[in-house]
Amino acid sequence: DTEVTQTPKHLVMGMTNKKSLKCEQHMGHRAMYWYKQKAKKPPELMFVYSYEKLSINESVPSRFSPECPNSSLLNLHLHALQPEDSALYLCASSQESWETQYFGPGTRLLVL
Amino acid sequence: AQSVSQHNHHVILSEAASLELGCNYSYGGTVNLFWYVQYPGQHLQLLLKYFSGDPLVKGIKGFEAEFIKSKFSFNLRKPSVQWSDTAEYFCAVKGGGADGLTFGKGTHLIIQP
Repeated sequence: DTEVTQTPKHLVMGMTNKKSLKCEQHMGHRAMYWYKQKAKKPPELMFVYSYEKLSINESVPSRFSPECPNSSLLNLHLHALQPEDSALYLCASSQESWETQYFGPGTRLLVL
Repeated sequence: AQSVSQHNHHVILSEAASLELGCNYSYGGTVNLFWYVQYPGQHLQLLLKYFSGDPLVKGIKGFEAEFIKSKFSFNLRKPSVQWSDTAEYFCAVKGGGADGLTFGKGTHLIIQP
């Protein structure tokens, strides 16, 4: 089973709201990732967690705050977002950081 | 920094035609190479990957790709496409460290019945 689940599927939020995206995998993978995908564009890496520690932050604005509470769960906390942050947010996981990544279905975010 | 270039952004083929999608990458060290597919309304799925060994790799649904190190290329092929192959195809590269994937801009493939 190579399933990564993400909730919610869709999210609409105002610029003053605080919300969180959730990603879960039960494959025993030790690396987890957040990507952002704008319409008709490729996914762009935001964060990498390896063994529950943040190993890469691709210069993402502080209004995005990742959290890895345990090896199966990855959150992305959102605060004071801008309309240009509207996108599909993808989570992925891999057995180790150098191995194949498996993607979840994404959360489609609209910021009004 | 690594980069990936996909030559064709839109490709339209008829069913049973042969397919080749180009991918070139730029990276100074050892790379792992991937092709992902995104069917309409679905999430990214792995088609195939190359880490080492035989440069001709076979993936799901009859796809294959050839790694040519001297050309920094990893082109995707399928001898006979089907209508269900209509999708967005992404080539991606990953270095050997704890980093993420770098994707090409994607190729939107439309198969006409």
